Amino acid sequence: AQKITQTQPGMFVQEKEAVTLDCTYDTSDQSYGLFWYKQPSSGEMIFLIYQGSYDEQNATEGRYSLNFQKARKSANLVISASQLGDSAMYFCAMRDPWGGTASKLTFGTGTRLQVTL
Amino acid sequence: DAGITQSPRHKVTETGTPVTLRCHQTENHRYMYWYRQDPGHGLRLIHYSYGVKDTDKGEVSDGYSVSRSKTEDFLLTLESATSSQTSVYFCAISEPFSGGQETQYFGPGTRLLVL
Repeated sequence: AQKITQTQPGMFVQEKEAVTLDCTYDTSDQSYGLFWYKQPSSGEMIFLIYQGSYDEQNATEGRYSLNFQKARKSANLVISASQLGDSAMYFCAMRDPWGGTASKLTFGTGTRLQVTL
Repeated sequence: DAGITQSPRHKVTETGTPVTLRCHQTENHRYMYWYRQDPGHGLRLIHYSYGVKDTDKGEVSDGYSVSRSKTEDFLLTLESATSSQTSVYFCAISEPFSGGQETQYFGPGTRLLVL
């Protein structure tokens, strides 16, 4: 069974600083996908970034990058130049291998990020 | 915007009553999902659908049933609501994005309180 672990329940970062949110995963599959979602206080789930297990380069989307270390089974989210609007809950998730049916996601328990002035 | 709406957005009900939550999408996505979100658990998959009348169970399906009679609608039913089903329920769809990969986009959520 797949498992996602986020060991940081809460993090603080100063505005304009970079922050890394940790995510480790456990799977016996060779093909999988890793995702990060943001959940602001308003409650919606916002897709941020995706990394495939066979992707050779780390994924980047604007100020978000995914530090993918396959051997360590880690997929940390790096947010550069933090903004007050980055304050939110962040979830790491893994997709089981795409086998032609629905791609189910397994989520971690989340990290609450607070950006301070 | 993946065109997903959920109704109702908030509901309070009593133990033992049936409850149906609706997820509606406007972009003809094949795959749809229901998750619940509880403190300390992240999101957990309840049921999913891979086409009209094609559904399957997820991780926490006990006490829930689903139906999909049209592509655009995916219904989640609590046959007899219990207090343990108090949660926030999210619907999601799968959609390709850059590079051909699939990812899931979520609806706004439904807050359900079972008294």
